[in-house]
Amino acid sequence: AQSVSQHNHHVILSEAASLELGCNYSYGGTVNLFWYVQYPGQHLQLLLKYFSGDPLVKGIKGFEAEFIKSKFSFNLRKPSVQWSDTAEYFCAVSGSGNTGKLIFGQGTTLQVKP
Amino acid sequence: GAVVSQHPSWVICKSGTSVKIECRSLDFQATTMFWYRQFPKQSLMLMATSNEGSKATYEQGVEKDKFLINHASLTLSTLTVTSAHPEDSSFYICSASSISGANVLTFGAGSRLTVL
Repeated sequence: AQSVSQHNHHVILSEAASLELGCNYSYGGTVNLFWYVQYPGQHLQLLLKYFSGDPLVKGIKGFEAEFIKSKFSFNLRKPSVQWSDTAEYFCAVSGSGNTGKLIFGQGTTLQVKP
Repeated sequence: GAVVSQHPSWVICKSGTSVKIECRSLDFQATTMFWYRQFPKQSLMLMATSNEGSKATYEQGVEKDKFLINHASLTLSTLTVTSAHPEDSSFYICSASSISGANVLTFGAGSRLTVL
C-alpha cells in the first residue's frame, strides 16, 4: 500500500537548535518527494521537492532534505531553527508521472521556543 | 507567484442542505485541480482529481454522488457537498496544477465546513 509515515508528531525546540524531521514512504515505482509547510492560519506552501538528480535538495528558508532511496526516506533538516519556523510540516509523495496525486504524511507540529 | 483562492473559507450549514465550495486559480490556468480533505489532527486525503472539461476522477471510497465536482473553466473548479451531514464536517482544500506543467501544486487556503 502507498503510504507516508512521519516519525514525529510534535517537536519542541529552542531557537538555534538543529532540526531533523523524519519521513519514510512506501510506494511502488519512481517517486517524487515533497515537503510542505503550513504556518498558523495559512495555506500549504512548498518547502522543497525532489524529482531526480542530486539526492540532497535545498529549499527555501534554509531547509534541506536528503533522499535515501535504500531507506525509502526523505528527512527534512535545518541547522538552526527560528521562532518563525513554528508550523505544521507535511511530507508527501507522488508517482513520477502524476505529481498532482499526492499522498501526505500525518504531519509534524514544530514549536520553536524563543 | 501562482495563487489559488477558495471561497468560502468558512461555512456552517444545516444537515440535509448542500454546500458549494469554489476553487479559483487567480493568475494562471489550471488544467487539473485536486480536492483534498483534512480531518482534525490528521493528514490531507485526496478526494478527487478535477479535469477541465471532463468528469472528475474520484479516489476509492469517495462517493461521487455525494461530492459533486465541476471544472467548467481553466480557472474554476467547484466542489458541492450534497445533503450534508455532520460527518461531512471537515477542512476541504483544493490545489491546482498549471498548464505550463511546473509539476508543483499550488494550494488554496482551505474551506472549513461545519454541518449542524
